[in-house]
Amino acid sequence: KAGVTQTPRYLIKTRGQQVTLSCSPISGHRSVSWYQQTPGQGLQFLFEYFSETQRNKGNFPGRFSGRQFSNSRSEMNVSTLELGDSALYLCASSLVPSGLDTQYFGPGTRLTVL
Amino acid sequence: DQQVKQNSPSLSVQEGRISILNCDYTNSMFDYFLWYKKYPAEGPTFLISISSIKDKNEDGRFTVFLNKSAKHLSLHIVPSQPGDSAVYFCAASVSGGSQGNLIFGKGTKLSVKP
Repeated sequence: KAGVTQTPRYLIKTRGQQVTLSCSPISGHRSVSWYQQTPGQGLQFLFEYFSETQRNKGNFPGRFSGRQFSNSRSEMNVSTLELGDSALYLCASSLVPSGLDTQYFGPGTRLTVL
Repeated sequence: DQQVKQNSPSLSVQEGRISILNCDYTNSMFDYFLWYKKYPAEGPTFLISISSIKDKNEDGRFTVFLNKSAKHLSLHIVPSQPGDSAVYFCAASVSGGSQGNLIFGKGTKLSVKP
């Protein structure tokens, strides 16, 4: 069974631009969560989608948004990029909502904002 | 306020010996705990988990111990192998609740020397 895939793997943007990251969960998994990893803050939860609905949201500004499609694939969008948004963005999937099941992570998208 | 703390940023162990990684938490509502291993440029890989109804869970060389009264869990790796060198993250969640996302510690970098 294929694992969680994320595209693109690497991305370079400039301040003020916007970016869209994509995540395909493990086949059959309906829950997708997004995390931001930075050296100083570790792994921080962004949001979770289950059955196309945002189920949970972390403490991030409104510039960070996401959505989930009927096939469970998810996208994350960051608008008006700031230098501090440079990070590894990780997507994780689980069969059912994350609090009830183990999450499996993708390889991440490394975003660099110049 | 960090709800999940890994107070040792790094740990160095000789091959064949035991590695003990520690994690403390503050939220008494947490009832599901996980350990993830992360290699550079890859997403975290699920290692082992434990529910709060247990105090020990074992899987091959990996054992997780949970001390609820001390709000402390530890991961034991015996025997340690050079391939175990990675960053280990402890994570916790409140299963079955509306806030099911994982809260991660900042990680401990384990180096196993041949």
